Amino acid sequence: QSALTQPRSVSGSPGQSVTISCTGTRSDVGDSKYVSWYQQRPGKAPKLIIYDVTERPSGVPDRFSGSKSGNTASLTISGLQADDEATYYCCSSAGIYTPVFGGGTKVTVL
Amino acid sequence: QVQLQESGPGLVKPSETLSLTCTVSGYFISSGHYWGWIRQPPGEGLEWIGSINYSGSTYYNPFLKSRVTISVDMSKNQLSLKLTSVAAADRAVYYCARLGANSMVHFDYWGQGSLVTVSS
Repeated sequence: QSALTQPRSVSGSPGQSVTISCTGTRSDVGDSKYVSWYQQRPGKAPKLIIYDVTERPSGVPDRFSGSKSGNTASLTISGLQADDEATYYCCSSAGIYTPVFGGGTKVTVL
Repeated sequence: QVQLQESGPGLVKPSETLSLTCTVSGYFISSGHYWGWIRQPPGEGLEWIGSINYSGSTYYNPFLKSRVTISVDMSKNQLSLKLTSVAAADRAVYYCARLGANSMVHFDYWGQGSLVTVSS
């Protein structure tokens, strides 16, 4: 299966909002109720921040939100903070029991 | 608190078999959930390898399926990964992770990762 397509990088100033797109096909993102997003800081394991397209695990700030339209899922970070600087990965189901990840987007806080 | 810890050789010779173990604490594998392995080549993205549940039902990445075996040892509360015929392209940080409740596609707890290098 092919990786989902994400922009390599996005940037924003503190307090601004940034949106990361994750584009797949009808066979994965388009047909899926199960898109998730992960935040990964250098040298650390990924951390789940969004699951089932829009749900946030306990402890994840509501500045992080997820959405989906057609074959594209999106992660929005509102009120950008320096601590949000990291690489973000999307993940979708691509068939039963088969997760596929995006290539990752590096978020830079200017 | 659920914790996962990968362990195994950090260096494997080309054509040999990579073997890693993931020890789970704070949760019994037999209690449910699926458990998975994901890898990440240095500087690159994440790749799902495969998933397993307590009863041994497995699902593998079709691109790796011919070389991968994932198993569970409930007496030790561990899962293991074997990847045969390794090559340089298999050099990566290997993570074990738990899949969310009633989910096969989102990972809510991760180990810290184990770097495996393939070299003679």
